[in-house]
Amino acid sequence: EDKVVQSPLSLVVHEGDTVTLNCSYEVTNFRSLLWYKQEKKAPTFLFMLTSSGIEKKSGRLSSILDKKELFSILNITATQTGDSAVYLCAVSTSYGQNFVFGPGTRLSVLP
Amino acid sequence: DTGVSQDPRHKITKRGQNVTFRCDPISEHNRLYWYRQTLGQGPEFLTYFQNEAQLEKSRLLSDRFSAERPKGSFSTLEIQRTEQGDSAMYLCASSSPDSLGSPLHFGNGTRLTVT
Repeated sequence: EDKVVQSPLSLVVHEGDTVTLNCSYEVTNFRSLLWYKQEKKAPTFLFMLTSSGIEKKSGRLSSILDKKELFSILNITATQTGDSAVYLCAVSTSYGQNFVFGPGTRLSVLP
Repeated sequence: DTGVSQDPRHKITKRGQNVTFRCDPISEHNRLYWYRQTLGQGPEFLTYFQNEAQLEKSRLLSDRFSAERPKGSFSTLEIQRTEQGDSAMYLCASSSPDSLGSPLHFGNGTRLTVT
């Protein structure tokens, strides 16, 4: 059965800290790994990763994929209170027809 | 691009009643997904359409759940004889066809409470 695991499940930091969120997966027919940010409602798309070792970057957020070790990390530098959210990792399988989500990491950034 | 739209935003129903939710995807997206999310969990896949064809349905999906996408545009998700365990956020998402798997774009969800 396809499985996505995230750690930690919950994290509390102070503004300015750097955090690393982890996602590991066991799926058949891997196609891509995606990161989403979910505040109160709809998850919003952050990154899609398909190749190992190529870092995707957007402002203070960055992510990288290791297809050999089957994991990805999401880094957030100089955290702000607005980064407080649940960060979801998802893997697309079977030629992109289905997306399997992990449980999410709940990040709380304190002022 | 008006995004993915879901209706209603909230639904409170009594156990045993039927409910129907609607999703309007991004207009150029031919793929449409339904997910269910409970507190503290990630979205759980329910079903997937490509155009009007329902191509995949979760093994966990009870036969009380049915989804349609007539004409390949909007979709409806119906839950018959609701149970308290059906209380959750029901998320709809759409995506465009891409060989590597384009990202899902989510609606704001319909929160169902079964009393």
